[in-house]
Amino acid sequence: DAGITQSPRHKVTETGTPVTLRCHQTENHRYMYWYRQDPGHGLRLIHYSYGVKDTDKGEVSDGYSVSRSKTEDFLLTLESATSSQTSVYFCAISGKQGGNTEAFFGQGTRLTVV
Amino acid sequence: DAKTTQPPSMDCAEGRAANLPCNHSTISGNEYVYWYRQIHSQGPQYIIHGLKNNETNEMASLIITEDRKSSTLILPHATLRDTAVYYCIVQRGGTSYGKLTFGQGTILTVHP
Repeated sequence: DAGITQSPRHKVTETGTPVTLRCHQTENHRYMYWYRQDPGHGLRLIHYSYGVKDTDKGEVSDGYSVSRSKTEDFLLTLESATSSQTSVYFCAISGKQGGNTEAFFGQGTRLTVV
Repeated sequence: DAKTTQPPSMDCAEGRAANLPCNHSTISGNEYVYWYRQIHSQGPQYIIHGLKNNETNEMASLIITEDRKSSTLILPHATLRDTAVYYCIVQRGGTSYGKLTFGQGTILTVHP
């Protein structure tokens, strides 16, 4: 898994509560990404990061915020969870210096908002 | 990034070659073709990529047509463990690494 750890792997939360998902890498890749995957939609990019404290919005960023205070950690926060944010969330990394250009994905976090 | 078109599903017999096509007729000169696959509910896994030359690695071969408007991923001896969703993605190099736009992919089912 190219040294990517997502936590938690499963979470059930109530509507309106804040939720933070964590992506941790040990490979010193420059770029980190958060995707969500829903039936019928495939994987969609939420937010991504070019480096520490350098982030940008993806295709479906509404309702989500991110932070990257260290190279190895990329946090995804749902400020007030809604049922439409029930999904599987994948973190990805790429851009290891001197490495190849492909992306590596974590195993996913299954989030259920009830 | 250019859009891609893939058949929604394909079948293959175990031990035979699986040939997965992808159309990317609007590809630009600086865009690469990447293939990933997703087994069951795991995270996507990189397979191979290329610009204009055919490529081969331990997992697969990638054949890109001369006009670069289409490509074929070849799994030379498919096994049951190759059953997965296969995604063909076109992206520019540079800082867009990993900023992948996924379509629906092709569901490959390998039969015994």
